[in-house]
Amino acid sequence: AQTVTQSQPEMSVQEAETVTLSCTYDTSESDYYLFWYKQPPSRQMILVIRQEAYKQQNATENRFSVNFQKAAKSFSLKISDSQLGDAAMYFCAYTTLLSGGGADGLTFGKGTHLIIQP
Amino acid sequence: EAGVAQSPRYKIIEKRQSVAFWCNPISGHATLYWYQQILGQGPKLLIQFQNNGVVDDSQLPKDRFSAERLKGVDSTLKIQPAKLEDSAVYLCASSPGWGLGSPLHFGNGTRLTVT
Repeated sequence: AQTVTQSQPEMSVQEAETVTLSCTYDTSESDYYLFWYKQPPSRQMILVIRQEAYKQQNATENRFSVNFQKAAKSFSLKISDSQLGDAAMYFCAYTTLLSGGGADGLTFGKGTHLIIQP
Repeated sequence: EAGVAQSPRYKIIEKRQSVAFWCNPISGHATLYWYQQILGQGPKLLIQFQNNGVVDDSQLPKDRFSAERLKGVDSTLKIQPAKLEDSAVYLCASSPGWGLGSPLHFGNGTRLTVT
């Protein structure tokens, strides 16, 4: 079974600074996707960024970028110029293909609580 | 585009009672998911529908949980009878496609407290 591990229960960063959230995963599949989702107190999960395993280039979305190390099975999220609105729980997630075709539901890590210090 | 709608927002019941949650996905989204998120943990997939057919329900406690998606649109998740350990947030999500990388759109969830 696939597992996703986030080893940092909580991270704190000063506003405008850069922070990196860690994620490792375990899989024997070669084709899969990785995601970072943000969950503010409203509870709605919001997609931050996604990465296809076959793409060597790291994904970027404005202030958010990933460092995808496929051999190491590592998928970290870097947030540059942190803003107060970035404060939330961040979840790393994984999906691969089902045996019958189609994508499996996401497997999530336990999350990292990100605190932004003003 | 309207988002994924869930109701109720909160529910408090006593153990051994029954409860039902409702989800209306984004229009046109064929894939629908129910997740259980216990406090301090990441969401865990309970069941996945493709249109009105079940794709994966391997983690659904079928002795007490049931879900249906009639006509491939709205979905209902039921717990009968509830246990204390069912206290959690129940998240519904939908996706426009079923391919890898198709993003999930989540609702605001229902927070269930079982006393």
